Amino acid sequence: GNSVTQMEGPVTLSEEAFLTINCTYTATGYPSLFWYVQYPGEGLQLLLKATKADDKGSNKGFEATYRKETTSFHLEKGSVQVSDSAVYFCALSDPGGGADGLTFGKGTHLIIQP
Amino acid sequence: SAVISQKPSRDICQRGTSLTIQCQVDSQVTMMFWYRQQPGQSLTLIATANQGSEATYESGFVIDKFPISRPNLTFSTLTVSNMSPEDSSIYLCSVEIGTSGANVLTFGAGSRLTVL
Repeated sequence: GNSVTQMEGPVTLSEEAFLTINCTYTATGYPSLFWYVQYPGEGLQLLLKATKADDKGSNKGFEATYRKETTSFHLEKGSVQVSDSAVYFCALSDPGGGADGLTFGKGTHLIIQP
Repeated sequence: SAVISQKPSRDICQRGTSLTIQCQVDSQVTMMFWYRQQPGQSLTLIATANQGSEATYESGFVIDKFPISRPNLTFSTLTVSNMSPEDSSIYLCSVEIGTSGANVLTFGAGSRLTVL
């Protein structure tokens, strides 16, 4: 079955540091890939997505590239801010279609210190 | 994008009791989804709720334990029945947005339940 594996947290960085949160997946076919973010006390929000191989999703300075050859979708940001502190979830949609096919990773708690 | 309101946002419940979580969306949607987020775990889909029909439950979840109502296109409820401490989780309502075929979901803020 489908699965998503992302790096364990918490990840603690200083402000302006470079961020990478690793995400790899297992799926049959060609899933769409997502990063969701959950700020303290709020619901999950879509951060970015990519629907096919080599696509790059980007938003708010975050980027992730759909790498089919390595089945990865690592999240990166060049210079993090304190306001980026949140839990980040990598997810994929079932290639068979249907929103109920979303599979999530366990989430990575990111802490940015001033 | 849709705005989803959930309540209660949190509650502390006694073992053996039941609690109903409400989910209100500011636009009409066909499908609504209920997820569970256990401590330190990923989100797990409980069921999909369509208006006018019975909810479709995922493996490991049953209607007697998690009855769902979907009376109209903007509202749904999830009841956690006969609660035990293992039911302590965040329960999230979500809806699909957009038509790009990429299955993008919008989530409510969640309902954090603690069962004593």
